[in-house]
Amino acid sequence: GENVEQHPSTLSVQEGDSAVIKCTYSDSASNYFPWYKQELGKRPQLIIDIRSNVGEKKDQRIAVTLNKTAKHFSLHITETQPEDSAVYFCAASRWDSNYQLIWGAGTKLIIKP
Amino acid sequence: EAQVTQNPRYLITVTGKKLTVTCSQNMNHEYMSWYRQDPGLGLRQIYYSMNVEVTDKGDVPEGYKVSRKEKRNFPLILESPSPNQTSLYFCASGTADSRSSYEQYFGPGTRLTVT
Repeated sequence: GENVEQHPSTLSVQEGDSAVIKCTYSDSASNYFPWYKQELGKRPQLIIDIRSNVGEKKDQRIAVTLNKTAKHFSLHITETQPEDSAVYFCAASRWDSNYQLIWGAGTKLIIKP
Repeated sequence: EAQVTQNPRYLITVTGKKLTVTCSQNMNHEYMSWYRQDPGLGLRQIYYSMNVEVTDKGDVPEGYKVSRKEKRNFPLILESPSPNQTSLYFCASGTADSRSSYEQYFGPGTRLTVT
């Protein structure tokens, strides 16, 4: 079955700098890759997702890149702000066949003022 | 307001005492799912449902039951809770329509402690 590994487990960056979180997946048939953000004490919320027919997607300061050959995808946050501090989860799925999301273990992002 | 609700939000119980955590969504979503979240392990899927009367096991179904008698409700049942089921539980719903977003909407979470 699918396995998703997420690195690093903790990332500390200076406010204004960029942050990159990387996930690798094992199932080459996976075709949907979302990223969720979970603030302390809150529920996870989708921030960006990508399907396997595109290599990159951007939404303001957030971007996701997908390398299907290497089976990894990354979350890029530019010009980080204090409100970006949270735990970020990646996931992978064959969404149109088994509807199961397999999740990474999470990355705690700390923005230093 | 479009939302997923869970009840109760907090529950402390004893080993072996049956309990039910309710989940309800008002977005007419086909897909509903239960996750447990434990430190360092991320989110692990317990059960999911693609529609009424259709349920499937996730990664960690042992010790749990679910039912989907109505589209909006997806209760999680622990017949005989044990301390290793102490966790934070999230219900989520979403659409399976490939023409739409696959976003999952999460409930507020239920923190369960089994002593």
